[in-house]
Amino acid sequence: GAGVSQSPRYKVAKRGQDVALRCDPISGHVSLFWYQQALGQGPEFLTYFQNEAQLDKSGLPSDRFFAERPEGSVSTLKIQRTQQEDSAVYLCASSLRHLEPQHFGDGTRLSIL
Amino acid sequence: AQKITQTQPGMFVQEKEAVTLDCTYDTSDPSYGLFWYKQPSSGEMIFLIYQGSYDQQNATEGRYSLNFQKARKSANLVISASQLGDSAMYFCAMREAFMNRDDKIIFGKGTRLHILP
Repeated sequence: GAGVSQSPRYKVAKRGQDVALRCDPISGHVSLFWYQQALGQGPEFLTYFQNEAQLDKSGLPSDRFFAERPEGSVSTLKIQRTQQEDSAVYLCASSLRHLEPQHFGDGTRLSIL
Repeated sequence: AQKITQTQPGMFVQEKEAVTLDCTYDTSDPSYGLFWYKQPSSGEMIFLIYQGSYDQQNATEGRYSLNFQKARKSANLVISASQLGDSAMYFCAMREAFMNRDDKIIFGKGTRLHILP
């Protein structure tokens, strides 16, 4: 399909392991966003890319969280030394350009045991 | 202070009735956008409707309309003729144009809507 694609759909990891979550935005979309959604809550902003440049990472909760988009297309959110409070759905969104509507992927549900 | 407030954690509505989901927002940015998203139990976030702060008319998209009352900082979603498939979590969200250098959207806590047959 032509939508935002995220993988894996579900991820279970033991506390202390590193995880990597992938986002494939809609082709040609310049802006890419990562959000974290805790159970029963609304999504909260993590970080924003315009092409390959990470313009805002103010929402990343700690230095264990790292995101990249090296070629301005696919993005990876990496969480090192995972902790139980990292359990959440991680949503990726992309938009064609600044101020255009954001289109969301189905999310990755991360469970830390 | 919360930027987006959704005061109804859950609602039960009979099928075919109209339903209004409340949303109030707080911003001092002169230019902003308001969104409603639907999130079914499967988890995807579906964009429903958008209202710009300078739009003169209330936004409408099919059965969805946004009752925008700028002075009251209110942006309620109205769903006409509700259907069983409307059962989902609904999020009100805002994007401030000048006060954030990116496009990040601020979401409310959501309202879970249950449509009863």
